[in-house]
Amino acid sequence: QVNLVQSGAEVKKPGASVKVSCKASEYSFTSYTMHWVRQAPGQRLEWMGWINAGNGNTKYSQKFQGRVTITRDTSASTAYMDLSSLTSEDTAVYYCARGDYDSGVDYWGQGTLVTVSS
Amino acid sequence: DVVMTQSPLSLPVTLGQPASISCRSSQSLVYSDGNTYLNWFQQRPGQSPRRLIYKVSNRDSGVPDRFSGSGSGTDFTLIISRVEAEDVGVYYCMQGTHWPRTFGQGTKVEIK
Repeated sequence: QVNLVQSGAEVKKPGASVKVSCKASEYSFTSYTMHWVRQAPGQRLEWMGWINAGNGNTKYSQKFQGRVTITRDTSASTAYMDLSSLTSEDTAVYYCARGDYDSGVDYWGQGTLVTVSS
Repeated sequence: DVVMTQSPLSLPVTLGQPASISCRSSQSLVYSDGNTYLNWFQQRPGQSPRRLIYKVSNRDSGVPDRFSGSGSGTDFTLIISRVEAEDVGVYYCMQGTHWPRTFGQGTKVEIK
């Protein structure tokens, strides 16, 4: 069964950066993509970006361009999402979600709560 | 960006009765390969989203057959034929045709 395990909750000050990890198991990591999606309180799911786990190519939502960096470590089957210049509006649950080339986003991680507060 | 609009946003349903959720996109979701990348997700309270339907009408493994998806172009529907207590949660449509990927606002299904 596909398993995506994310790192734990974070509390950050405004202006700081946060890095969330997503460790994949029970499937061939480099044969899929990894998406990052966030959910702010009371808001809809918001797509942030995507990495091709095979070749490392990335694509980001224009909204986060310049602030988000998605990377991966194939030896550890782990994807990372780095978000900088945090503000209170970045307080949200951040999810990684596997992307299948044929059917799109399928399995999701358990989510990581990032709280930005002074 | 493609705007995904769901209706209704709140759906109280009697157990055993059907439920229907609409999802409309601001642009056609037919991709150049002929496929339509419209997925449906269920998010139960306190849980991560779970995919139910991919490419409009294909049910994921383990998803009860009371869930079905239909539609084309810009107009899509998720139907629960007979709502059960475990179906309570928020349902989202998501388009995977255009960049950036976008989601509907979510439809909250609750039991009357």
